[in-house]
Amino acid sequence: DQQVKQNSPSLSVQEGRISILNCDYTNSMFDYFLWYKKYPAEGPTFLISISSIKDKNEDGRFTVFLNKSAKHLSLHIVPSQPGDSAVYFCAASSQGGSEKLVFGKGTKLTVNP
Amino acid sequence: DVKVTQSSRYLVKRTGEKVFLECVQDMDHENMFWYRQDPGLGLRLIYFSYDVKMKEKGDIPEGYSVSREKKERFSLILESASTNQTSMYLCASSSPRGGTYEQYFGPGTRLTVT
Repeated sequence: DQQVKQNSPSLSVQEGRISILNCDYTNSMFDYFLWYKKYPAEGPTFLISISSIKDKNEDGRFTVFLNKSAKHLSLHIVPSQPGDSAVYFCAASSQGGSEKLVFGKGTKLTVNP
Repeated sequence: DVKVTQSSRYLVKRTGEKVFLECVQDMDHENMFWYRQDPGLGLRLIYFSYDVKMKEKGDIPEGYSVSREKKERFSLILESASTNQTSMYLCASSSPRGGTYEQYFGPGTRLTVT
């Protein structure tokens, strides 16, 4: 059973526009969420995170929104740049449980110049 | 900066060989993880370790074992490599002291089993 779902395998946007990547989860015990970015032949790098006590967290061009009632989070990138082209993974964890992260399958973002 | 290093970036092995993948982290992290990444399947956890000599199975432990004799080093062992173990292997580390669950990843090892 997939606990973290990224239903869009790919997304293509124009440079300068907004990119919105979506993630849904099923486990109501999840209370911390992270986004990772991965370039080919490299390890994932941490991008931004959000605790379940918040509904929004911003870091520069990146904003993560959390809707707990819908068990949904999204990553907004504004403005999108060609260097943002990568695979983005959503991950979730639960406090008091193990230190494991549960990852989604990823969304490949392509930003066209 | 946290640094997680993996012994090889690319590795080619034959079916039936014993394969060792090494991972070292330099931030005194308690937790270490091994994942494999395959197209369309995301990151799947193979094994993880909370402490020296401690290990727990992840979601896909079959065909793998691990060793953690020192805090900074976590090894993944393929006892008898098979072609379905061709994959990108990623090591990660984290610490509960940060309270953020953030894991730091190594660059990955692309393993091909022929």
